[in-house]
Amino acid sequence: DAKTTQPNSMESNEEEPVHLPCNHSTISGTDYIHWYRQLPSQGPEYVIHGLTSNVNNRMASLAIAEDRKSSTLILHRATLRDAAVYYCILRRRGSEKLVFGKGTKLTVNP
Amino acid sequence: GAGVSQSPSNKVTEKGKDVELRCDPISGHTALYWYRQRLGQGLEFLIYFQGNSAPDKSGLPSDRFSAERTGESVSTLTIQRTQQEDSAVYLCASSLSATNEKLFFGSGTQLSVL
Repeated sequence: DAKTTQPNSMESNEEEPVHLPCNHSTISGTDYIHWYRQLPSQGPEYVIHGLTSNVNNRMASLAIAEDRKSSTLILHRATLRDAAVYYCILRRRGSEKLVFGKGTKLTVNP
Repeated sequence: GAGVSQSPSNKVTEKGKDVELRCDPISGHTALYWYRQRLGQGLEFLIYFQGNSAPDKSGLPSDRFSAERTGESVSTLTIQRTQQEDSAVYLCASSLSATNEKLFFGSGTQLSVL
């Protein structure tokens, strides 16, 4: 599986937008970009995924660079509940498993 | 229940004992995954089941680890002769199909080997 690179940690203030970056320079044409997050003492939960176009859902937005070598997860208004580890994962079309890295630990300050 | 259920939530055992961890996937989900997460680390893939196909065991760290799944229902992960390095949270996830994008995770079993 192609590798992703994320900052170890980031901080944000409550009610401000948060942009979580992910680099994936070795991405292939059939790799989907997935984001999961893991709240303290819980299993990971799905956030969003995309292939080429930007994606929006009720939780977040995913902005994908034109060359697909990087992407950004956008939380439009951070809340204290958004404090978690965010994982950016590449999943090849037809591949069964997700390979998780260490992710970015997001701290949200009140 | 509505989500993936794992039991027990916590397990303390002595080095050398065998342990069994249980996962109840979401009803109708054909794919089931086991992951291990050591303290402060990311998730490590262990094994994957899809329907009646042969499981993908490529992530099992040693022959002390095994897992079973009956049809599309409950799965058990067994660790024989536990070692201290087996201490971790063991997470189970399920999805509607092998190629379905979303995995739904349980809350995990915290295993402590003394």
